[in-house]
Amino acid sequence: SQQGEEDPQALSIQEGENATMNCSYKTSINNLQWYRQNSGRGLVHLILIRSNEREKHSGRLRVTLDTSKKSSSLLITASRAADTASYFCATAPDSGYSTLTFGKGTMLLVSP
Amino acid sequence: GAGVSQSPSNKVTEKGKDVELRCDPISGHTALYWYRQSLGQGLEFLIYFQGNSAPDKSGLPSDRFSAERTGGSVSTLTIQRTQQEDSAVYLCASSPHSSGGAYNEQFFGPGTRLTVL
Repeated sequence: SQQGEEDPQALSIQEGENATMNCSYKTSINNLQWYRQNSGRGLVHLILIRSNEREKHSGRLRVTLDTSKKSSSLLITASRAADTASYFCATAPDSGYSTLTFGKGTMLLVSP
Repeated sequence: GAGVSQSPSNKVTEKGKDVELRCDPISGHTALYWYRQSLGQGLEFLIYFQGNSAPDKSGLPSDRFSAERTGGSVSTLTIQRTQQEDSAVYLCASSPHSSGGAYNEQFFGPGTRLTVL
């Protein structure tokens, strides 16, 4: 079953604008990760935030995590046409070992 | 170094035929994962390998699906008697983590697009 649920399902913005995507999940986690997928093929890891972290930055990316609300957000600042892709959040459980559980993704379109 | 590779990149088969998909993980990565992605959907977990053993195969949708990994490296996913609903992109990922599969990032291959006619 899906753990992460992203919203919005689709987002269309102009170059230079900021894009914010949200992810909600249901069970306790060890970490939450964001991935990007271009053209329906392989995913690229963007950032990992652990359950004891609240905010993390990487270049133009800013990720927040609120474990009390079981939610995370991904902010892409000063977006570029090359940021056009699908973005997925994935959660890792907080006990034992297992694989990531992915949401259905947000499709981002950045127009020049 | 080389990333995760998968072959073939595209596979078209007839309903009822068997197919074999291959994944070459990044050298030294002990964890290997198979996922399936249907059109416009998220990733559906299929199976996880740690070394050559599969501690979690809970995602395999039916007994027509099987996977193996040899030498702690290459993995093959076999689908027997393919059905049209098996059509999807099959993605493989590897991770260097040795004691907990989900606690580090996963490195994905480009996927195999399977079409069952």
